[in-house]
Amino acid sequence: NAGVTQTPKFQVLKTGQSMTLQCAQDMNHEYMSWYRQDPGMGLRLIHYSVGAGITDQGEVPNGYNVSRSTTEDFPLRLLSAAPSQTSVYFCASSYEQGWETQYFGPGTRLLVL
Amino acid sequence: AQKVTQAQTEISVVEKEDVTLDCVYETRDTTYYLFWYKQPPSGELVFLIRRNSFDEQNEISGRYSWNFQKSTSSFNFTITASQVVDSAVYFCALSEAGDYKLSFGAGTTVTVRA
Repeated sequence: NAGVTQTPKFQVLKTGQSMTLQCAQDMNHEYMSWYRQDPGMGLRLIHYSVGAGITDQGEVPNGYNVSRSTTEDFPLRLLSAAPSQTSVYFCASSYEQGWETQYFGPGTRLLVL
Repeated sequence: AQKVTQAQTEISVVEKEDVTLDCVYETRDTTYYLFWYKQPPSGELVFLIRRNSFDEQNEISGRYSWNFQKSTSSFNFTITASQVVDSAVYFCALSEAGDYKLSFGAGTTVTVRA
């Protein structure tokens, strides 16, 4: 199993540009989520999904969209990038919520100029 | 509301010293789950341990041990006889039963010097 994969590993955007961060998992996990990691703040939840066709907002959803058309994929879209979105983004998946361990992808480092 | 506090921002030790990382959490739920993750310099997040609120037994795994005390809302992590490879950022995290959110502490950077 590849586990949780993310692409790209690194991206530079200009303010106002849009892009999609890709996330895929091959473990047949129902629950997937996106976090952003900023210095001194740990990881914060952006959006999550409990299954195909179902998504919901986390702590810091503004400026991001998600969709879940398949169990395997959970892309994160930045509609109009802002410098405040410069961060490292992690995708995670787990079989269920709460007790089940979330497994994280390798991360995408995003720089918005 | 959930909250996880890791008061130690950075810890620097010499190899073979023991190091203890503090984690204090807040929750109103009686059922919750606690986790520790390691983030080495390469950047990935590595799961270390999970514990549910009904299991206060301490755990030892090799050089790692965890002390869970509900009375003080703490879930501390000790590395015994530290090694250079233990240098990383360590995160404590909390989730409540039925909640999809994993709340992370700010992390503690551990540097082990040879």
